[in-house]
Amino acid sequence: AQTVTQSQPEMSVQEAETVTLSCTYDTSENNYYLFWYKQPPSRQMILVIRQEAYKQQNATENRFSVNFQKAAKSFSLKISDSQLGDTAMYFCAFMKTTSGSARQLTFGSGTQLTVLP
Amino acid sequence: KAGVTQTPRYLIKTRGQQVTLSCSPISGHRSVSWYQQTPGQGLQFLFEYFSETQRNKGNFPGRFSGRQFSNSRSEMNVSTLELGDSALYLCASSGGPAGTQYFGPGTRLLVL
Repeated sequence: AQTVTQSQPEMSVQEAETVTLSCTYDTSENNYYLFWYKQPPSRQMILVIRQEAYKQQNATENRFSVNFQKAAKSFSLKISDSQLGDTAMYFCAFMKTTSGSARQLTFGSGTQLTVLP
Repeated sequence: KAGVTQTPRYLIKTRGQQVTLSCSPISGHRSVSWYQQTPGQGLQFLFEYFSETQRNKGNFPGRFSGRQFSNSRSEMNVSTLELGDSALYLCASSGGPAGTQYFGPGTRLLVL
């Protein structure tokens, strides 16, 4: 079984500053994806970024980037130039990708990020 | 493409009743997964359907069931509702080998 740990229940950052959210995971799988999702007050779960475990290059999506350390089983999210609209709960998630396997996400407990004006 | 849709958005039921929630995936997506979100337990996987077959089920009692139709639309049913079933129920669809899941807006269920 997989586990995902987010050790920061709450964080805050000033608008336009940079913040890093931490995530660690535990698995014996070799083939998997890691994700960051955000859930604003509307409760809509929105994909932020995805990382394939077989790729060494860290994923980047505009102001969002990850630091993927496979050996350490660490997957942190960096948000640059934080905006008020980034205020949300952020979830780290794991999904194994063995061919034909069920699509099942295992989520961490979340980090509530507040961007301050 | 239209996103994942879920109906109804809000439901209020009483203990002992049953409820059916519906999810329409993104066009072309054949996999539909369901999750329960509560303040105490966080996000928990319920089950996943692919081409009308349940591929996996989470650790939930048999009162929770689901199905998928030939057009990939999915329903989940909860029978004999308990107070602890109050939650946000999220549906996600995925397509292609990457398997990235895209979520609907959720159904908020309140059991009184």
